[in-house]
This record gives sequence, C-alpha cells and structure tokens, in this order.
Amino acid sequence: ETGVTQSPTHLIKTRGQQVTLRCSSQSGHNTVSWYQQALGQGPQFIFQYYREEENGRGNFPPRFSGLQFPNYSSELNVNALELDDSALYLCASSQGVNNSPLHFGNGTRLTVT
Amino acid sequence: QQQVKQSPQSLIVQKGGISIINCAYENTAFDYFPWYQQFPGKGPALLIAIRPDVSEKKEGRFTISFNKSAKQFSLHIMDSQPGDSATYFCAASPPSNTGKLIFGQGTTLQVKP
Repeated sequence: ETGVTQSPTHLIKTRGQQVTLRCSSQSGHNTVSWYQQALGQGPQFIFQYYREEENGRGNFPPRFSGLQFPNYSSELNVNALELDDSALYLCASSQGVNNSPLHFGNGTRLTVT
Repeated sequence: QQQVKQSPQSLIVQKGGISIINCAYENTAFDYFPWYQQFPGKGPALLIAIRPDVSEKKEGRFTISFNKSAKQFSLHIMDSQPGDSATYFCAASPPSNTGKLIFGQGTTLQVKP
C-alpha cells in the first residue's frame, strides 16, 4: 500500500510569484484535503477535493486554488505569494468524505522571501 | 464556535509515567474527534479517534476519554516512552465530513529516560 506522497519537499519562492504543489493520494483513496501548517501551529484546513470537484473550503482567499485529477492526485496552486504563506503544506487523503480517517503526507515546506 | 483549544502547550514526563493532554471544543455539532502524532519533518499520523456516542476508547497504551456534556476530550498515554516524544494534536470535524478537521494548537511532549 503506497502512502500519500507530496512534491516537492522544499521550495523557496519570492513574494508575488506563483507556486504549484503536488500530491498523490494513498492507494484506494478518492478524496484529498489540503492543510496549511504554520510553524508551531496546528494544521488549518484549506479545501477538500472529491470526485474532481471542490467539496468545502476553509478561510483562505481565492488565490489559493486546487485541482483533482481522474487518478485522484491533486494540485494546490497559490498565486501572488505573500510572506505569510511560508508554511508546511500538508496533503491528506481518505476513502470518501465521511467515516474515513485522514492519512497525511510529509508535506511541502514553502518559504517565501 | 469553530475553535478547538488544547492544553498544555508543552509537557515533560518521566519514562513510565502517564501523559495527559486535554482539549475543549465549542461546536456541539462536531461528531468525530481524532488525535494525531507528529514528529519533526513528518506529517501528522493518526493515533486514535472517537465518536461522541462513547465515553472512552483504548488502543494499546493510548486512551481517549470523552465528556460530551463538558465538551471536552483528553488523550492519556500510559507507560510513556522516550519514543513517544513528539507533538500531539487533537482535532474535531463537523458532521458527515471527517476530512474537514479543525485542529488544536498542539502539545509538545518530552519523555525523559
């Protein structure tokens, strides 16, 4: 069973740039949720994708967007990067949206300078 | 109403002792309460989870105690080991979507040999 994999592991970008983070869900999982974890804080829900459509969104601006592909992998895109976007971005997959625990990847560490 | 408050922020326990971490929530609609363990450089890993229809759940050395009327739940780690040293997060999710977790701020546990 392959777990959740994320790429890249680390990334450095400049303020104002755009970034794309990628996630492959665990085998058999069709739902992907993205979280932002600032240093020393708990993860914060960004959005969830189910059947290739956004299924709920947290308190994040529209410059955070995503996609889910037919193979259930997913992308997180962030436009017009700000310094406060520096964080660990976590992808988690599950089998369906309810009664299924989240399995997290090890994240992408994004630094915005 | 969407907050989950976790305490203490940090905890030091001797090997063999009991570690206790507490969480409180506000939204009575929450119906799924997991605990995650996170090591440095890794994503959160699910430890144990509970639904509000039971007051206690035990898995190995880990026990969740749940008090629905007080809107509180806690994690007890029995016979704590140095390998348990990590950051622990409680979380809660709204009905019918275990992927939209609201996390506590985290507790850093250090178990001294």
